[in-house]
Amino acid sequence: GPKVLQIPSHQIIDMGQMVTLNCDPVSNHLYFYWYKQILGQQMEFLVNFYNGKVMEKSKLFKDQFSVERPDGSYFTLKIQPTALEDSAVYFCASSFAGNYAEQFFGPGTRLTVL
Amino acid sequence: GDSVTQTEGPVTLSEGTSLTVNCSYETKQYPTLFWYVQYPGEGPQLLFKVPKANEKGSNRGFEATYNKEATSFHLQKASVQESDSAVYYCALGDRGGNYKPTFGKGTSLVVHP
Repeated sequence: GPKVLQIPSHQIIDMGQMVTLNCDPVSNHLYFYWYKQILGQQMEFLVNFYNGKVMEKSKLFKDQFSVERPDGSYFTLKIQPTALEDSAVYFCASSFAGNYAEQFFGPGTRLTVL
Repeated sequence: GDSVTQTEGPVTLSEGTSLTVNCSYETKQYPTLFWYVQYPGEGPQLLFKVPKANEKGSNRGFEATYNKEATSFHLQKASVQESDSAVYYCALGDRGGNYKPTFGKGTSLVVHP
């Protein structure tokens, strides 16, 4: 079936540095999402993106976070600067339609902030 | 806004026993209802979805019926296996202008051999 890829699978960085998480969504999908999952906890919505714009974001989507998808390439989540509490697994998802369509999730990027 | 409430985990069962994970929802729209499953170390994946009231979805022995009157979508399986150990998320998506599905908090299922 369709697959969402995430690069890298694991990233370790020092607090205060910038990090970019990359997502290669399903090719004909139009809606893109990021979720955050702290180890052992539930998955939580961060942001969704459509037509070049952020449509909705949660309170977890701090000012240090940004998303973009320049020229139909990777859908990225940038954190600048990082904080210790940003350590988590970040899942990217995409869907062809909006909220009533199936989301396809990537395998996640494990971010460790030291 | 929309909301989804599901059984708080972890749910611990022995192989061969039956499973029910409750899911209740609130929305002003007519939603599509989903069950997703997340196996350890992976992203969630769709188990099944049901777009219409009074219909049943099923996959891999799991099933749920869209009960619009009761606003419920309970997940059931007659006989669980150790490989069913995972986190199960109930979700809804409506056509009312929201751009994202609403997920429940997830229910962790642990099945012992």
